[in-house]
Amino acid sequence: SQQGEEDPQALSIQEGENATMNCSYKTSINNLQWYRQNSGRGLVHLILIRSNEREKHSGRLRVTLDTSKKSSSLLITASRAADTASYFCATRRGDTDKLIFGTGTRLQVFP
Amino acid sequence: DAGVIQSPRHEVTEMGQEVTLRCKPISGHDYLFWYRQTMMRGLELLIYFNNNVPIDDSGMPEDRFSAKMPNASFSTLKIQPSEPRDSAVYFCASSKLAGETQYFGPGTRLLVL
Repeated sequence: SQQGEEDPQALSIQEGENATMNCSYKTSINNLQWYRQNSGRGLVHLILIRSNEREKHSGRLRVTLDTSKKSSSLLITASRAADTASYFCATRRGDTDKLIFGTGTRLQVFP
Repeated sequence: DAGVIQSPRHEVTEMGQEVTLRCKPISGHDYLFWYRQTMMRGLELLIYFNNNVPIDDSGMPEDRFSAKMPNASFSTLKIQPSEPRDSAVYFCASSKLAGETQYFGPGTRLLVL
């Protein structure tokens, strides 16, 4: 079963614009992570935010976490064509070892 | 570090044949995960190991699938006999700590005819 659901399923923007993707989940979590997957490649870890954190930044990435709403958002600022990829959220429940991945958002950035 | 290594990168086989996928995790990582990705079902966790011991195999579809980790630097996922519905991309990932960042291999694209 999938814990996270990303929204939107697909997003198309122009270079330079900001891209926002959302992730909702169902049960309480220990941490939430975002991964990127380029076509035909494996997933690459982007950022991890813990349940006691509300916001985190990494370069052009900004992640927020609202545990009361069981949701997270990933903002990519000043997008580039190279940001074209699928983005997945993954949650760790309690003290389990595994991650549950969402369905992903396909981002297309046009030059 | 070389990252997670998977082989083969592509595999085409006929229904009924045995398929063996291989994975070398990042050195020093205690956790190894096998995932399957399809358009219909997304990314599914099949099984994971901690210190070479299988911990959770609840995602393994059926008895045709088996996985082993004979040592800290090698794991296999075997499908016997293979079926067309097994066609997917299979990923191996490793992590140093439980529930933390996972490092994925490039995947094995399996096509069962």
